Parts: sequence; C-alpha cells; structure tokens
Amino acid sequence: LAKTTQPISMDSYEGQEVNITCSHNNIATNDYITWYQQFPSQGPRFIIQGYKTKVTNEVASLFIPADRKSSTLSLPRVSLSDTAVYYCLVGDSGDYKLSFGAGTTVTVRA
Amino acid sequence: GAVVSQHPSRVICKSGTSVKIECRSLDFQATTMFWYRQFPKQSLMLMATSNEGSKATYEQGVEKDKFLINHASLTLSTLTVTSAHPEDSSFYICSADRDSGTEAFFGQGTRLTVV
Repeated sequence: LAKTTQPISMDSYEGQEVNITCSHNNIATNDYITWYQQFPSQGPRFIIQGYKTKVTNEVASLFIPADRKSSTLSLPRVSLSDTAVYYCLVGDSGDYKLSFGAGTTVTVRA
Repeated sequence: GAVVSQHPSRVICKSGTSVKIECRSLDFQATTMFWYRQFPKQSLMLMATSNEGSKATYEQGVEKDKFLINHASLTLSTLTVTSAHPEDSSFYICSADRDSGTEAFFGQGTRLTVV
C-alpha cells in the first residue's frame, strides 16, 4: 500500500475553506485516493474518493493533479462540527485492507 | 449508504475475563471484514482480516490466540478478547466491504476498558 504524508494538524475558523494536502509519491496505477473523517470515539466515515482530476460531492471536493502524487481535500465553509481527524488513504479500489496514516486533526474555532 | 453495526459500544471487564465484540453488516453481505485497534491520540491499526468460512489472517505482532475472530456468516464477524489485561484497553473498530462498492464501511467502534 502506498505510504501517505499529511499535516499533523490544521486550525481554521467557521465559514472558512479548509484544504488538506496529502502526498503519495508511490501511488500505483490501480490505486484510488480515499478520504475518511473520524470523530472522537467513532468509526471513520467515508468522505470522498477519486482517481484523477477533480471529484465533488455534497460535503467536499477532491483535487488530484495529473501526476497523482498528491491530492487535496477541500472542505468548503467549515463549521464547528467539522472538527475531526481526516485520513488520506491510497489503495486499489478492490483492496479494503486499509492502512491508516497519522491523519490530520482539523480544529475549527468560532 | 451501507451500515455496519458494532455491539457493544462500550464495555468494562475485569482482568482475566473474555469479552466478545460483534460486527454486523446490516444491509449487505460481507465476505471480508476487518478489525482495527486504536489507542488514544493514535491512528487505526489493522489487527486482522476476517474471512467468512475460513480462518482469519492476523497482522504481524497480533496474537491470534488472544484475539479470536469468527466469521460464521456473511453478515457477522466476532472478535473475542481472551484473558483481557489492562493493556488491552482500547477502541476496537470493524469494517466491511461491499463487493459492488469501492469504499469500506466502518462500525461505530467499541470502547473496551479492562480493570
């Protein structure tokens, strides 16, 4: 499984956009990029998944450059409830044996 | 979305006793389920892969005789922590894959405290 590197923590304020960049230099051709969100004492929750270019859903956008060696999760207009740990994972779409890195703790302040 | 349910959500047990945690896929069949452990302020660590109808596959360093996994049906996997010790206190999380999808679905986790 490709190793990922992301910032340990990020602080933001309500209403701002938060962008978390994840590096995955060794991503393989068949690998997808998936982001999960985890609140304290809860299991991770799927946010978004992509392979290349840009993916958008109702909660976030995922930007992936052409070389796919990094990706950026964009959370628009965050609220206090977006305070959580965000994990970037890289792996084959059929491989659910997930290897979690340290994740990014996002703290949203009023 | 698919739902994976864990039970219990929280359990306290005495040292030396065994605790069973259930993981159920409520609206889909899961050939494979995964068990993770998470200590405070740390990331999830994969413990084992649970395969329906066959033996579980354990990650390096995880004692298979201590963490018994049974995947008797396509919707249920159980993790039994045997002869629990205080150092086994942790947050245990299961996940399941749905063959037609591309994402893993996680249970809500079980907080185990061994006293």
